Amino acid sequence: NAGVTQTPKFQVLKTGQSMTLQCAQDMNHNSMYWYRQDPGMGLRLIYYSASEGTTDKGEVPNGYNVSRLNKREFSLRLESAAPSQTSVYFCASSLGQSYTEAFFGQGTRLTVV
Amino acid sequence: AQSVTQPDIHITVSEGASLELRCNYSYGATPYLFWYVQSPGQGLQLLLKYFSGDTLVQGIKGFEAEFKRSQSSFNLRKPSVHWSDAAEYFCAVKGGSEKLVFGKGTKLTVNP
Repeated sequence: NAGVTQTPKFQVLKTGQSMTLQCAQDMNHNSMYWYRQDPGMGLRLIYYSASEGTTDKGEVPNGYNVSRLNKREFSLRLESAAPSQTSVYFCASSLGQSYTEAFFGQGTRLTVV
Repeated sequence: AQSVTQPDIHITVSEGASLELRCNYSYGATPYLFWYVQSPGQGLQLLLKYFSGDTLVQGIKGFEAEFKRSQSSFNLRKPSVHWSDAAEYFCAVKGGSEKLVFGKGTKLTVNP
């Protein structure tokens, strides 16, 4: 019972490099989310996908793109990484009915130097 | 757009004392409310949720929360705190669009 799996767990990038964070869930959930967590800022929503084929901006979408590849997978891409994107990134999924909770992955710690 | 305010950044309590963590939300329609806990270096675990019915909801680890629509609040409580409760606690609100927004969190320290 893997739940929500994020890869990689750790990553160091140079400013200007690009990378994609991968997220997959095996719970047949409809909704998926990407958050970033910074000290004192809580979890801020970057993008979410309420269903396969749809994506919507969250609170802090600038500098990121997402792809809902299929029902299981939701990737987050940094096209040109900046030091301000140093953070811990969490992926989450939810069944897709408003009263259902989100389940979280273990996070990806990204450092941009 | 929905939002969540957790007024207390850091709370310190003694082991065995009672605990209340505050959460205020902003959302125009019926909110779906959640409390999560995060231990250091870990992901987030659901403590409890509210979506309808009884305004006092019970969760795991002896936690409960009360939904008060008139005050737009969903405060988390525990009668007697254990040292293992030391963690960061997050309140969250979800709207009908599936958008799930979190507060900035409250860090709980438990003194022996």
